[in-house]
Amino acid sequence: DTEVTQTPKHLVMGMTNKKSLKCEQHMGHRAMYWYKQKAKKPPELMFVYSYEKLSINESVPSRFSPECPNSSLLNLHLHALQPEDSALYLCASSQENRDNSPLHFGNGTRLTVT
Amino acid sequence: RKEVEQDPGPFNVPEGATVAFNCTYSNSASQSFFWYRQDCRKEPKLLMSVYSSGNEDGRFTAQLNRASQYISLLIRDSKLSDSATYLCVVPWGGQNFVFGPGTRLSVLP
Repeated sequence: DTEVTQTPKHLVMGMTNKKSLKCEQHMGHRAMYWYKQKAKKPPELMFVYSYEKLSINESVPSRFSPECPNSSLLNLHLHALQPEDSALYLCASSQENRDNSPLHFGNGTRLTVT
Repeated sequence: RKEVEQDPGPFNVPEGATVAFNCTYSNSASQSFFWYRQDCRKEPKLLMSVYSSGNEDGRFTAQLNRASQYISLLIRDSKLSDSATYLCVVPWGGQNFVFGPGTRLSVLP
């Protein structure tokens, strides 16, 4: 059982659609992450929130817009995506400022852009 | 440059075999290390954390060699269910986690 929950599990959207991915954790973690993973590649960092503030943006295109409404929730708003954005989107959390704290992943949203 | 490298694989081994993967990292300041397993089309799941010289959990043993900057993962008595991709993950300071490219393991009947 995962302690980080993501919705939806699957999403198909057209290039003109607007959709949002949601992530929730109740482990008291103060760092939350969005990763993108393509087939046969490791996860690629997109954004990090630390204490509800955006701390890392890995030069992600503006068609991806993160939001952290509170310490337990993380959203990723999607608009005008391209077919190459199709991937597995993973949310993760970890304890802040502890190098020995691992990432805890949600079960991901598999996104297909048509 | 952040670098974490892993044995390229794939490893194809028979059930019951012992198999070992290596991971090398370039950040000498890293203090902790993690092995994740990832099944096809699923999320990575934490397998082992390594903070000192090593860690053992049942059939799985992780060893850390700080001088040579590598971590190994040993799997004894391989099961079919061990078939997965194994990811080496190294914290790089702050909230940066650097992933190795992964090593794919197939355990064959």
